[in-house]
Amino acid sequence: SAVISQKPSRDICQRGTSLTIQCQVDSQVTMMFWYRQQPGQSLTLIATANQGSEATYESGFVIDKFPISRPNLTFSTLTVSNLSPEDSSIYLCSVEDPGGNEQFFGPGTRLTVL
Amino acid sequence: GQNIDQPTEMTATEGAIVQINCTYQTSGFNGLFWYQQHAGEAPTFLSYNVLDGLEEKGRFSSFLSRSKGYSYLLLKELQMKDSASYLCAVEDSNYQLIWGAGTKLIIKP
Repeated sequence: SAVISQKPSRDICQRGTSLTIQCQVDSQVTMMFWYRQQPGQSLTLIATANQGSEATYESGFVIDKFPISRPNLTFSTLTVSNLSPEDSSIYLCSVEDPGGNEQFFGPGTRLTVL
Repeated sequence: GQNIDQPTEMTATEGAIVQINCTYQTSGFNGLFWYQQHAGEAPTFLSYNVLDGLEEKGRFSSFLSRSKGYSYLLLKELQMKDSASYLCAVEDSNYQLIWGAGTKLIIKP
């Protein structure tokens, strides 16, 4: 299994600012996934981050709003830019178990935008 | 389009059995997952089905019928700690996970 940590665990930000979320995994993984979970809703995939290449964004998500870095096989960051109240959500990073079919999730970052 | 349907909320009694259904329509199928998510926490893996039939794991079992696009999660001997949301997710032909909206399970004493 993989152990994933995220920082910060929560933050309150002002409209128009940006927040960068860090995700650290205790083992090397090829793909890391960034999800958003809005209140009362299920998980929505924002993008898939591969080391050494540009992240792949899902429909409705763009790099200018959600820039992602993946400098090595154990770390990634997601920035949520130009924040608005609609960005208030939980952001989760996730990795796949390379030996199986399970996905492991970080503890999440709870973002509130005022 | 791709679609996962599960009930929004269910209520059950401690010690009883509850079945949470999930129906899906996806472009291809490479497996179905059930995750448990307690309020304010990240989802945790419960089960994976890729072949038809029942997979049993302690108090939890998961069933799959690919021809019907249907799965259920069966929870036995319910405990108060089982109060959580249960998420159904299907891996499509591109190995992309499609998530259901989750079923909030409320356990009453």
